[in-house]
Amino acid sequence: QVQLKESGPGLVQPSQTLSLTCTVSGFSLTSYNVHWVRQPPGKGLEWMGRMRYNGDTSYNSALKSRLSISRDTSKNQVFLKMNSLQTDDTGTYYCTRDWAPGYFDYWGQGVMVTVSS
Amino acid sequence: DIQMTQSPASLSASLGETVTIECRASEDIYSNLAWYQQKPGNSPQLLIYDANSLADGVPSRFSGSGSGTQYSLKINSLQSEDVASYFCQQYNNYPTFGSGTKLEIK
Repeated sequence: QVQLKESGPGLVQPSQTLSLTCTVSGFSLTSYNVHWVRQPPGKGLEWMGRMRYNGDTSYNSALKSRLSISRDTSKNQVFLKMNSLQTDDTGTYYCTRDWAPGYFDYWGQGVMVTVSS
Repeated sequence: DIQMTQSPASLSASLGETVTIECRASEDIYSNLAWYQQKPGNSPQLLIYDANSLADGVPSRFSGSGSGTQYSLKINSLQSEDVASYFCQQYNNYPTFGSGTKLEIK
């Protein structure tokens, strides 16, 4: 069955770089797009960026200068790297998929990231 | 970016009631709209896509409607398990979400 699972450090120091991995199963990264979406505690959802099925990437303009998304199709993994973290980057980070640029039908469980010294 | 304005921010209703949540887009999104339900501590789950299509396994008491810039999610016969936050999302361009509606039982 379709699954996505995020992994990464729960605590990151301010000004450091966040590295997260989304490991997928039950579908191919060369057929579906994988997105990263984050949610500050008690707040709404923010789209961060996507890895398209063909390897192209797109980013939220507000995060573009700090964000990089890549993948390893042989390992069924999509990676997020974001630098210069600040306290307002604290939140739950989700990976999710869509088929065409569209709606998100499966989500990972999310990983909570706290930015603090 | 397309802005999504969602209302109300919170809603309290009695069991069995019908509730409606609204989303307004800053430009025409041609029914490229989804609704999600997020229960506390859980990931969002898809309820509605293409403005009015019910996702697999979603109870028929949920329905979506709208066109152009105005969309709504209706929940008939409110159940206790419907307590959650609800978000709209447009996918006519790079995805953006509404700010969410927190639904509680009165």
